[in-house]
This record gives sequence, C-alpha cells and structure tokens, in this order.
Amino acid sequence: EPEVTQTPSHQVTQMGQEVILRCVPISNHLYFYWYRQILGQKVEFLVSFYNNEISEKSEIFDDQFSVERPDGSNFTLKIRSTKLEDSAMYFCASSPTGVVAKNIQYFGAGTRLSVL
Amino acid sequence: SQKIEQNSEALNIQEGKTATLTCNYTNYSPAYLQWYRQDPGRGPVFLLLIRENEKEKRKERLKVTFDTTLKQSLFHITASQPADSATYLCALARENQGGKLIFGQGTELSVKP
Repeated sequence: EPEVTQTPSHQVTQMGQEVILRCVPISNHLYFYWYRQILGQKVEFLVSFYNNEISEKSEIFDDQFSVERPDGSNFTLKIRSTKLEDSAMYFCASSPTGVVAKNIQYFGAGTRLSVL
Repeated sequence: SQKIEQNSEALNIQEGKTATLTCNYTNYSPAYLQWYRQDPGRGPVFLLLIRENEKEKRKERLKVTFDTTLKQSLFHITASQPADSATYLCALARENQGGKLIFGQGTELSVKP
C-alpha cells in the first residue's frame, strides 16, 4: 500500500541552525500538508500546499518557515533559524483529488526534531 | 476561537465491549468531521469521514454519528479488541480552507483482555 515517507526519523540540531525536513507524498496525490505535534499536545496544522503554492497557513507558520516542492516527488519544510520551542514531531500528509477525498489525509510516520 | 474537546483523557474498557468516544466543538461550523487513530510515536491514520449533512457512517466495527445542532460527534467501536488500544483523534475541516484539519487532543483507549 502506498505511504507517505519522511526523512530523517529524528533530527537533532543546535538552536539557530537551519533544518530541512523531507517528505515523499503518495505519488498521485496533489495536496500536501505539514503538521506538528509538541510532546503531549494536540496535532497542529502548519501549512497546506497545492499547485505549487501555499493554500493555507497557520499563525505558527511565520517567516522562519518555508515549504518547497523541488521536484515531482519531494515536499520539504525548512526552518531557517530553529528555536527551542520548535522541538516537536513534524508530520507530512498528502491527499488525493476529489471533492470529499481531498479531505482525507494520509500521514507519514513523522520526523522528531530536537533543538538543543 | 474554535475549540474541540474530546472526552476524558483515557478510556479503559473490557475486550468485547463497545467503546464510545465523544467529540464536542464550539465556535466552528465544519463541513467535514473525521476520526483518526494515532499509535505512540506514529502519524495519525484516517478511519472515517462524515459530512455535515450526514447523521451516521459505518465501517466494519466502527460507527460515527454527527449532530450539528449539538455540535457533537460520537465514535463507537463495537466488539472491541486489545489491538484497538490507541489514541483516537477527532478532526474538523471546512470547505475552501486549503484542507486544514483542526484536531482535538485525543482520547486514549485501552482495551483489556
């Protein structure tokens, strides 16, 4: 069964460093998302992406964050200058086309980001 | 601001019984309500979606109801099994909002043999 793949599974970085989290969505999906989950808290929406542009973003997704689809398969989340509070599990998700189907999101296993 | 509340942080039931999980929301008018399962250290896995004009949806041992007047959804797992033990997340979405899902904090279900 096709799945969303995220790498790395765990990323450790120093405060102030840039990180890039990588995702390979399901191949025929056209909608892509990033969410984060701070330990013990709820899953929070960051950004959605369709047709090579951001569709929606949350207040969390400030100028320190950016997303890119550099080729036909990868979808990346960049954090320019990490802060301690960016430590969280980051989930990539994708969904297919279709009025209802596009609301069903398929999540990757996540990248645990630890900022020291 | 919108608020989603799911019932008690942990629900413990005996194998074979029906688990009922609750999702209440305020200050929001979702077009879709979804239930996801999340295992420790893993991403959410889609289970069921119900639209605002639907009252009930079923899939195998799972049933979800949606009452837009009460602003509540109930999620039932019948004939529960220890393998159903996980955290269950309620998620809401509107039309034309870029697919943004708003999640509840989840209910941890533990099914004892």
